Amino acid sequence: KAGVTQTPRYLIKTRGQQVTLSCSPISGHRSVSWYQQTPGQGLQFLFEYFSETQRNKGNFPGRFSGRQFSNSRSEMNVSTLELGDSALYLCASSFPGGDTEAFFGQGTRLTVV
Amino acid sequence: AQSVTQLDSQVPVFEEAPVELRCNYSSSVSVYLFWYVQYPNQGLQLLLKYLSGSTLVKGINGFEAEFNKSQTSFHLRKPSVHISDTAEYFCAVSDDRGAAGNKLTFGGGTRVLVKP
Repeated sequence: KAGVTQTPRYLIKTRGQQVTLSCSPISGHRSVSWYQQTPGQGLQFLFEYFSETQRNKGNFPGRFSGRQFSNSRSEMNVSTLELGDSALYLCASSFPGGDTEAFFGQGTRLTVV
Repeated sequence: AQSVTQLDSQVPVFEEAPVELRCNYSSSVSVYLFWYVQYPNQGLQLLLKYLSGSTLVKGINGFEAEFNKSQTSFHLRKPSVHISDTAEYFCAVSDDRGAAGNKLTFGGGTRVLVKP
């Protein structure tokens, strides 16, 4: 079956702009989580959505937001981009529950200039 | 709150030699434990997980890990590595409160460089 698909794979934006990243989960998975990966901070949890509701949120400013649609596809948005937002953004889908395997997409590489 | 510490940021190892990657965690609740691997320019792939039961867990590609509750550790081992094992490895925990959702807390990662 198809894996987790993230689009676009690469993105270059200017400081102050906003950006929207997309994630299509594995069919049947209703939980979608987002992570930010940087060399300095490592992998950090952004938020998780399940059945169109945000269930968990990490320690990120309000400029980072997300949503989930009825077909479980998810988007995350970053407004007023800062240079420090440059990172690999990873999406993971899974069945609900902390004991289930998270399947990761290849990520979107965001560069803010 | 949970935290995960991977004690080695980089581990060089010769091909066909054994490797051990160390992981310690801290949590006030029971946790599930995972090891993920990330190849260059890729997402993360699950190697193995510990949920309950036998403390020795076997995963894909010949990897295994041992859960030690008293030492709050979950070290990853492979008896003989291949060049293709060159990657970054991440230890992660999630808590067992099923209704609370899916949230992984990752360690800082260990880069394994397999030398011929």
